[in-house]
Amino acid sequence: GQNIDQPTEMTATEGAIVQINCTYQTSGFNGLFWYQQHAGEAPTFLSYNVLDGLEEKGRFSSFLSRSKGYSYLLLKELQMKDSASYLCAVISRNSGYALNFGKGTSLLVTP
Amino acid sequence: DGGITQSPKYLFRKEGQNVTLSCEQNLNHDAMYWYRQDPGQGLRLIYYSQIVNDFQKGDIAEGYSVSREKKESFPLTVTSAQKNPTAFYLCASSIPGPNTGELFFGEGSRLTVL
Repeated sequence: GQNIDQPTEMTATEGAIVQINCTYQTSGFNGLFWYQQHAGEAPTFLSYNVLDGLEEKGRFSSFLSRSKGYSYLLLKELQMKDSASYLCAVISRNSGYALNFGKGTSLLVTP
Repeated sequence: DGGITQSPKYLFRKEGQNVTLSCEQNLNHDAMYWYRQDPGQGLRLIYYSQIVNDFQKGDIAEGYSVSREKKESFPLTVTSAQKNPTAFYLCASSIPGPNTGELFFGEGSRLTVL
């Protein structure tokens, strides 16, 4: 089985930087995804990490450490529209390469 | 335009009734998935299919059934055996296997049992 942990809620101020952590325990790990989901909508893809290190894409960056079973999503220059849930998902050989999601982190950006 | 279409968007069902949620994709993806989401929760995998005429149970398959007779279509039936079916259901597709890349999601179907 898989165990994926994320904080339930976070609050940050507009213009600031926030880091959302994700830890996982899985066999046959093959990669980690981050998705953004606004209330009542489908998730949208943010990033995919398969090798250790930092992947940067505009205001969003994602980091992976396979040996530690750890990832984080870094959001810079926060905007009000960044208020959403952020879902960490792991893909593994042992689950038939289907994505397994954590419970998500609800981020509130305040003025 | 390529994408995934789920229907209906909203559905109401009486207890004891089966209901089928439609999912169609024209992205030419071999892999398709059904997830369930409850308020304040992440996505939980119900069923997935990596290829036509084959599908696998996910973490919460009890009370659900699927078929994969065509590449483009992966309907989900919520049976009366599902004890708590009220939820938001999301269908997705992708390239199968280890290089699956991102999932492409439909807009979701919200099922309410009265």
